[in-house]
Amino acid sequence: RKEVEQDPGPFNVPEGATVAFNCTYSNSASQSFFWYRQDCRKEPKLLMSVYSSGNEDGRFTAQLNRASQYISLLIRDSKLSDSATYLCVVNMRSSASKIIFGSGTRLSIRP
Amino acid sequence: DAGITQSPRHKVTETGTPVTLRCHQTENHRYMYWYRQDPGHGLRLIHYSYGVKDTDKGEVSDGYSVSRSKTEDFLLTLESATSSQTSVYFCAISDGGLMGTGELFFGEGSRLTVL
Repeated sequence: RKEVEQDPGPFNVPEGATVAFNCTYSNSASQSFFWYRQDCRKEPKLLMSVYSSGNEDGRFTAQLNRASQYISLLIRDSKLSDSATYLCVVNMRSSASKIIFGSGTRLSIRP
Repeated sequence: DAGITQSPRHKVTETGTPVTLRCHQTENHRYMYWYRQDPGHGLRLIHYSYGVKDTDKGEVSDGYSVSRSKTEDFLLTLESATSSQTSVYFCAISDGGLMGTGELFFGEGSRLTVL
């Protein structure tokens, strides 16, 4: 079983729709969580951190459920520019080698 | 954008030849990482460094070596390239590493093709 798992998609949704991704992690010692965005043939960039109480940044909401060991990303009122691959990242903070990336979920927004 | 440059950005080489990829940063960050990205596998850590001359292995380190003689430079070497090492290689840096924010800043990637 992978340490961090994501649905690879692709998710193909119309502009203006709400879309949600989940990510599960296997190690309960994981301490910090992030969503990164990666555009085609580009480097990953931090989208947002995920805090225990949940957090929001504009149209984006991230949630963490430690009991069930998953994190989620909700995108409201999706834009064409949201088309990208979204990477779930788990940092165990016990070793630099334990910054684990999920394989990513592809999102395509259609006009 | 964080000051990270990778070179070369694209390289085609033949099986059995040595290859060195360079990562240069201007941020004075302590931690530097080399990842490879392949379809279906996401980003996998090859090696990382937590200071000058301090390096350690990641999950896919076989066939790779690294060196860090200066804070700003982290080199990844394939001593004898194989076709399975065809990939996109990303360098990343972070400030506080694990006790910091954990945010990684990535270079633009180096696309390596081994024929």
